[in-house]
Amino acid sequence: GAGVSQSPSNKVTEKGKDVELRCDPISGHTALYWYRQSLGQGLEFLIYFQGNSAPDKSGLPSDRFSAERTGGSVSTLTIQRTQQEDSAVYLCASSHAGGRNNEQFFGPGTRLTVL
Amino acid sequence: AQTVTQSQPEMSVQEAETVTLSCTYDTSENNYYLFWYKQPPSRQMILVIRQEAYKQQNATENRFSVNFQKAAKSFSLKISDSQLGDTAMYFCAFTGNNAGNMLTFGGGTRLMVKP
Repeated sequence: GAGVSQSPSNKVTEKGKDVELRCDPISGHTALYWYRQSLGQGLEFLIYFQGNSAPDKSGLPSDRFSAERTGGSVSTLTIQRTQQEDSAVYLCASSHAGGRNNEQFFGPGTRLTVL
Repeated sequence: AQTVTQSQPEMSVQEAETVTLSCTYDTSENNYYLFWYKQPPSRQMILVIRQEAYKQQNATENRFSVNFQKAAKSFSLKISDSQLGDTAMYFCAFTGNNAGNMLTFGGGTRLMVKP
């Protein structure tokens, strides 16, 4: 079956603009995660969804960042008034039930460049 | 809070040789999961191997095996018979008793397999 997909693959934007990043999880996966990977660094957790609700938003770096998930499927990560430090690869992952032994399947990421 | 440390930013190995990537972590939890993920230039994160902390036996997956030392909080990855396709970033990751089971990642090790 299809894996996790993300769009766009690459996004270049100007400082101060808003951007939306999209994630389509694997069908039937109830848990969805957003991570950020800055250049040459590991991944940092941003937000987690179980179904449509987000029990843990602790990783969102500022109030410019928000995310939603509708219909228990597609998720959108929105960054308002982008800054240069927002430049990174944004990775989405999904898993079947969010349990510790449930593998997280990752998408190919969106590379965001803020000029 | 948990932390994951990978002390080797870059490593190289000759094709067909064996290489070991290091990972240490810090946690006060007793039951948790550890993972090694591979990220090739395509950016797609791929699960290589998984270890449950309560299992004493080291996990193995074909040419990949781990040396899990719970008391020392060490979780190294051994790649045997290295292949050119093993060239990638490798990330060590941890998930514990947080409700959403989000992953905490190390900074990564860039592995180059030389012909």
